[in-house]
Amino acid sequence: AQSVTQPDIHITVSEGASLELRCNYSYGATPYLFWYVQSPGQGLQLLLKYFSGDTLVQGIKGFEAEFKRSQSSFNLRKPSVHWSDAAEYFCAVGPPTGRRALTFGSGTRLQVQP
Amino acid sequence: GAGVSQTPSNKVTEKGKYVELRCDPISGHTALYWYRQSLGQGPEFLIYFQGTGAADDSGLPNDRFFAVRPEGSVSTLKIQRTERGDSAVYLCASSHTSPGRGNTEAFFGQGTRLTVV
Repeated sequence: AQSVTQPDIHITVSEGASLELRCNYSYGATPYLFWYVQSPGQGLQLLLKYFSGDTLVQGIKGFEAEFKRSQSSFNLRKPSVHWSDAAEYFCAVGPPTGRRALTFGSGTRLQVQP
Repeated sequence: GAGVSQTPSNKVTEKGKYVELRCDPISGHTALYWYRQSLGQGPEFLIYFQGTGAADDSGLPNDRFFAVRPEGSVSTLKIQRTERGDSAVYLCASSHTSPGRGNTEAFFGQGTRLTVV
């Protein structure tokens, strides 16, 4: 069965600092990979996705993620964090065929210090 | 509508009561998903519809939970004999199905917060 691990429950960074959120997955083949962001009282918003091709994917709000097959990882990065990036971030995996539902990690809460 | 709409946004019910949660997906999206998000956790899959039929209901926790999508658009998640452990945010998502790729990215609603007291 597929699973997603986000080892960091809570991360605090200073505004303007760089950010990396970790995501490791377990899956029998190369899955579809996603990062979502959830602000308080808001729905999940897709930041970026990887289906195939270039392993470095660009998303919205200046985020990027790199798929590393050998490490089963899909870490999210941002070179300079803004106060408005404070939110909960979820990594998710989905199968390329068959059942289409996503399996989510437990999330990483990002706090941004001024 | 422009996005996935879920109603009500909040629902408080007494233990043992029946509740219905509604999801109005993005127009034209054939795939619809229900997830449940408990406090401090990521969303957990409940059920997936492709058109009118439930293509995968393996995430429903027990037979108190049921969902329908009779016309392939609006879906209703129904919970019978609610228990305090059912308290969570119930999220709905929809996606477009393309012939070559299958289901594309899922767009989520803001969820219904269910509290069973």
